[in-house]
Amino acid sequence: AQKVTQAQTEISVVEKEDVTLDCVYETRDTTYYLFWYKQPPSGELVFLIRRNSFDEQNEISGRYSWNFQKSTSSFNFTITASQVVDSAVYFCVSLRDYGQNFVFGPGTRLSVLP
Amino acid sequence: GAGVSQSPSNKVTEKGKDVELRCDPISGHTALYWYRQSLGQGLEFLIYFQGNSAPDKSGLPSDRFSAERTGGSVSTLTIQRTQQEDSAVYLCASSLGTGNYNEQFFGPGTRLTVL
Repeated sequence: AQKVTQAQTEISVVEKEDVTLDCVYETRDTTYYLFWYKQPPSGELVFLIRRNSFDEQNEISGRYSWNFQKSTSSFNFTITASQVVDSAVYFCVSLRDYGQNFVFGPGTRLSVLP
Repeated sequence: GAGVSQSPSNKVTEKGKDVELRCDPISGHTALYWYRQSLGQGLEFLIYFQGNSAPDKSGLPSDRFSAERTGGSVSTLTIQRTQQEDSAVYLCASSLGTGNYNEQFFGPGTRLTVL
């Protein structure tokens, strides 16, 4: 069965600090997909990124970057120069190559203080 | 509308009553998902619809929960004989299709409170 672990329940940083959110996944599949979603205080989940298991290239999008390492089954998310608007709960998600049962991690609540 | 909509936004009911939650997916999205998010918890998959295929009900927690999707569009999640542990935010999402590269677009959720 798939499982996603986000060991950090809550993180608080001061604005402009960099912060990394950890994600460790478990799977026996060779093909799978990983996602990050953001849930701001308004409650609506926002898609951030999707990764296929066969593509380990790291990705940067503005202040966001993702480090996918199959060797350690990790898909960590870094926010550079954090801003108050980054305050939200962030979910790491896995999906098998077949079926549509998205498995969400428990989430990490990030608070960025001014 | 431009996004996934859900109604009602809030529902308070008494234990033992039945409730219906509605989801309107994004037009053209063939896949529809229901999740439950209990307070301070992650999302729990409930059910998935794809086109005219039989739904994947593997996440439904009990036979008190059921869902249908009429005409491949609007979906209704029904909870019969509600219990206090059913209190949660119920989220609906839709996506373009079965391709696993398709992101899900989430609605704002329905907050259900069972007294």
